[in-house]
This record gives sequence, structure tokens and C-alpha cells, in this order.
Amino acid sequence: QVQLVESGGGLVKPGGSLRLSCAASGFTFSDYYMNWISQAPGKGLEWIAYISSGGENIFYADSVKGRFIVSRDNAKNSLYLQMNSLRVEDTALYYCARGGDYFENWGQGTLVTVSS
Amino acid sequence: SYVLTQAPSVSVAPGKTARITCGGNNIGFTSVHWYQQRPGQAPVLVIYYDSDRPSGIPERFSGSNSGNTATLTISRVEAGDEADYYCQVWHNSDHPKYVFGPGTKVTVL
Repeated sequence: QVQLVESGGGLVKPGGSLRLSCAASGFTFSDYYMNWISQAPGKGLEWIAYISSGGENIFYADSVKGRFIVSRDNAKNSLYLQMNSLRVEDTALYYCARGGDYFENWGQGTLVTVSS
Repeated sequence: SYVLTQAPSVSVAPGKTARITCGGNNIGFTSVHWYQQRPGQAPVLVIYYDSDRPSGIPERFSGSNSGNTATLTISRVEAGDEADYYCQVWHNSDHPKYVFGPGTKVTVL
């Protein structure tokens, strides 16, 4: 069955950096578009970034453009999110999700806390 | 930018029907997808392309989309349906992005 497992979250100071990973299994990773989606504590869902199956097309939400970088390694069945210049308002649970038009599978998320 | 609106909360008695709406300008011309998020859990896709159900989702869940409103309908509501429900569209105007509605909390009385 499809499994998505996020890791790399933690506590970081404002202005700091963090790299999230998402390990995929149970499907042919290289065939699928992938995304990162965040959820601040007690708040709704916010799409963060999209990467096409081969990595040639990448889109970002305005709130993270220029600060976050999404990438993937199809040989390792892994998705990444490099988070730079972190802000207090980036504090959230970060999910990786499989899909193009819609998000058919989600991981359980990894928590990022930005605080001094 | 494209904005989706949802009522913050809906209350429904067990066995009755819950209707959760998602408003957006001419939303009927785009595909709408719906997610269920139970407390402490990751979201789960319950409806895609307006009215299709993924495998494993009960037939009690159905969807429609027309004009400026998309609707998720839950028939014969059960206690386990208590959750937050989010609508989502893909919007490609100035630059491509996915948009979520703010979510509706469904409470089973």
C-alpha cells in the first residue's frame, strides 16, 4: 500500500534553515507528481509546493517563494523541502502528498516550530 | 487570487443528511475535490473531480458542483463522520496554485 513518511521537523530559530524529507513506498514514485502542504496549529490547510514527476516543473505558494526549495530524488523514492529564512509564521505540521489535480495520499506530517 | 468560502461549522443529528458547501466565483467551471480530516489525523480524500469517490469511501459521501457553489453531501450521518472537511481546487491564472477552502467542522449531535 502507498506509504509516505515525513521526517526532519524540529525546533529552529527565526532566520534558520531546515530540510524536510518524505520517504515514499508502495508505488512507482517516479510516475507521480508530489506536493508539500502545511497546517498551522489549529488552522486550515495551505498548499506550499508542487514538483512534477521528473522534477522539471516546480510551483510555489507566494508565501514561501524565494525561501523554500522543493526537490526529489527518484532513485531514492524521496521528496525534499529545503526551508530557509524561516519565520515564526512558518510554524506548522508539514505533509507530503501524492497527486496532480488532487491529493490522493498523505503522510502523517512532520512538525516544524520556529521560535526564539 | 482565487478564494473559496466555507461555513465554519455544521451540526447534524445521526442518521440525517449533512450538506457542506464551498463557494467560489464560477466554481462550476472547475473541478472540486474534498478532504476529511478527523482530529489528530492526516486529511483523507473523500471526493475528487466534483463527484467521484475513491475506493474505500462509503457511498454515503457524494458531491456536486454548479454555478458558484460546490456541495459535499453526507447521507445517513454517523458519529465517525465528525471531522473537518476542506474543499480544494487547482487554479491557474497568474501562476499555478492549489487553493483550499477554510474548512467546515461537522459536529454530530
